[in-house]
Amino acid sequence: GEDVEQSLFLSVREGDSSVINCTYTDSSSTYLYWYKQEPGAGLQLLTYIFSNMDMKQDQRLTVLLNKKDKHLSLRIADTQTGDSAIYFCARGSGATNKLIFGTGTLLAVQP
Amino acid sequence: NAGVTQTPKFQVLKTGQSMTLQCAQDMNHNSMYWYRQDPGMGLRLIYYSASEGTTDKGEVPNGYNVSRLNKREFSLRLESAAPSQTSVYFCASRGTSGGIGELFFGEGSRLTVL
Repeated sequence: GEDVEQSLFLSVREGDSSVINCTYTDSSSTYLYWYKQEPGAGLQLLTYIFSNMDMKQDQRLTVLLNKKDKHLSLRIADTQTGDSAIYFCARGSGATNKLIFGTGTLLAVQP
Repeated sequence: NAGVTQTPKFQVLKTGQSMTLQCAQDMNHNSMYWYRQDPGMGLRLIYYSASEGTTDKGEVPNGYNVSRLNKREFSLRLESAAPSQTSVYFCASRGTSGGIGELFFGEGSRLTVL
């Protein structure tokens, strides 16, 4: 199957760390992606990880990939109110040139 | 940089009316996509065009048609709108030569069918 699953909602306090989780069923993707959608806007690429990596760090963002468990996570350190958005994980779909998206996780940051 | 441009941004239709959503990209990308976004459902692929001259069905194609007019433009048509097609529609494009294969999205078209 092509399912990509995420929890729907996460609430954190400003300054805390946020961890958004994603699981997938098909492990053939070369890249896995995290997209951010701010209110009323389209999606923008936040970060990505190559499938032969376990971890990628980019400033406040850390992506962890557990290929055995088919689990991807996004950690946001020192979460700010400007991080409030919907976060989507996505993976490529083999040779068909499609991206398969998860359901999205709404991150609410409380001041 | 315009990127991916969608029109219209908002539209209200009555059941049975038809309309076309327009999308254009200026990044010389080969592949273009139409997604719909509904609460709790994430993004679902309606149709895509891997290259100029080809189109393929995605997860939820029923009730829609598409036209890849040229390399830049990919339109989505609702022939007879239904309330179940109330949604936010996103067009996206993707280059396939090298790079990481990210999708670039338009800002969305919010459609309400009464």
